[in-house]
Amino acid sequence: NAGVTQTPKFQVLKTGQSMTLQCAQDMNHNSMYWYRQDPGMGLRLIYYSASEGTTDKGEVPNGYNVSRLNKREFSLRLESAAPSQTSVYFCASSAGQGRAFFGQGTRLTVV
Amino acid sequence: SQQGEEDPQALSIQEGENATMNCSYKTSINNLQWYRQNSGRGLVHLILIRSNEREKHSGRLRVTLDTSKKSSSLLITASRAADTASYFCATDESNQGGKLIFGQGTELSVKP
Repeated sequence: NAGVTQTPKFQVLKTGQSMTLQCAQDMNHNSMYWYRQDPGMGLRLIYYSASEGTTDKGEVPNGYNVSRLNKREFSLRLESAAPSQTSVYFCASSAGQGRAFFGQGTRLTVV
Repeated sequence: SQQGEEDPQALSIQEGENATMNCSYKTSINNLQWYRQNSGRGLVHLILIRSNEREKHSGRLRVTLDTSKKSSSLLITASRAADTASYFCATDESNQGGKLIFGQGTELSVKP
């Protein structure tokens, strides 16, 4: 049982480049989340999806877009990367009002 | 700003001592959860307490919830060096479709 799988694990981008972070879960969960974690800031919610076909903004959505492709997959897109988006990104899923399961994170550096 | 605010930001204790971390939040919640993170790794769920519960235990962990004060505490008893990690509270906000908001965390260091 793989749980939550994120790809890639590491990425270096140049300012202005675009990329998509992929996330997939195999637990049949309705809810999925994208967070970023900066030193001393804890996890901040970027976007979340309560069910297939719905997405909502979190605390820090600017500069990001998401797609809930199906129940399993929730991708995060940076259209034009900026140095301020250098962070560790975590994807998570839950059954809704229950515990969340996290991926291992993507370390993104924008130079 | 983040929903959960944790106190203290950092805590250093000796093995065998108890560690208490506090979390305050702002809105109505369905439940409050505590997670642990070892440096730079993914988060691991520790315990969930529902809004109609006041106290919950799991092994050496004890969590309390006071919805009137919008606060929670996590107590780790008889701490071990292996408990060294960051601990985060997270609130599942009511009427927000399962929106899960994290606090900034408490960095716990347990010295052998």
